[in-house]
Amino acid sequence: DAGVIQSPRHEVTEMGQEVTLRCKPISGHDYLFWYRQTMMRGLELLIYFNNNVPIDDSGMPEDRFSAKMPNASFSTLKIQPSEPRDSAVYFCASSVQGLPRSGYTFGSGTRLTVV
Amino acid sequence: QKEVEQDPGPLSVPEGAIVSLNCTYSNSAFQYFMWYRQYSRKGPELLMYTYSSGNKEDGRFTAQVDKSSKYISLFIRDSQPSDSATYLCAMGDGFGNEKLTFGTGTRLTIIP
Repeated sequence: DAGVIQSPRHEVTEMGQEVTLRCKPISGHDYLFWYRQTMMRGLELLIYFNNNVPIDDSGMPEDRFSAKMPNASFSTLKIQPSEPRDSAVYFCASSVQGLPRSGYTFGSGTRLTVV
Repeated sequence: QKEVEQDPGPLSVPEGAIVSLNCTYSNSAFQYFMWYRQYSRKGPELLMYTYSSGNKEDGRFTAQVDKSSKYISLFIRDSQPSDSATYLCAMGDGFGNEKLTFGTGTRLTIIP
């Protein structure tokens, strides 16, 4: 398996533009997580899905952020409009039920810079 | 106050030294405790996990949990330059909840 695949790896955009981050989880994993990582706040959970259904979106900062999982092999995180404070590394992770043994498998992240 | 606190470092030690990394937490509901390692420009990867108070060994790594003090540690023996990375602690409550809460991470450098 190729692991969790995220695209793009880097994104530079201007304030006010729409940004879409993409994630392909590991086949057979029924949980998908979106995290944001900054130096100051570390890894913060934004939202997670179970069997394509959003379970907890309490970490989504505000209405500018939205996430979808239309099928088991694809998820998107959209920011509209983007702001400089959204600059961070965004990680997608997937897992099967059974923490902690299963752990999360993280993608390599998308480094977002909003100027 | 954050649920999980971790000293961000950076921490630099000479090769072969014993490294101690620590986290404290405030949520008594946490039932299992994990350590992830993150290399530069990569996603975190699971290093080891433990459920209960006490020690768990895996090669050069030992995870220690003290639930009474809400304090966890990761010890690395005979540290190697390849251990240079950011180490994140993570915790979950285990009540059918697959959500993990992470510390901010400690950046570790092993000097050859």
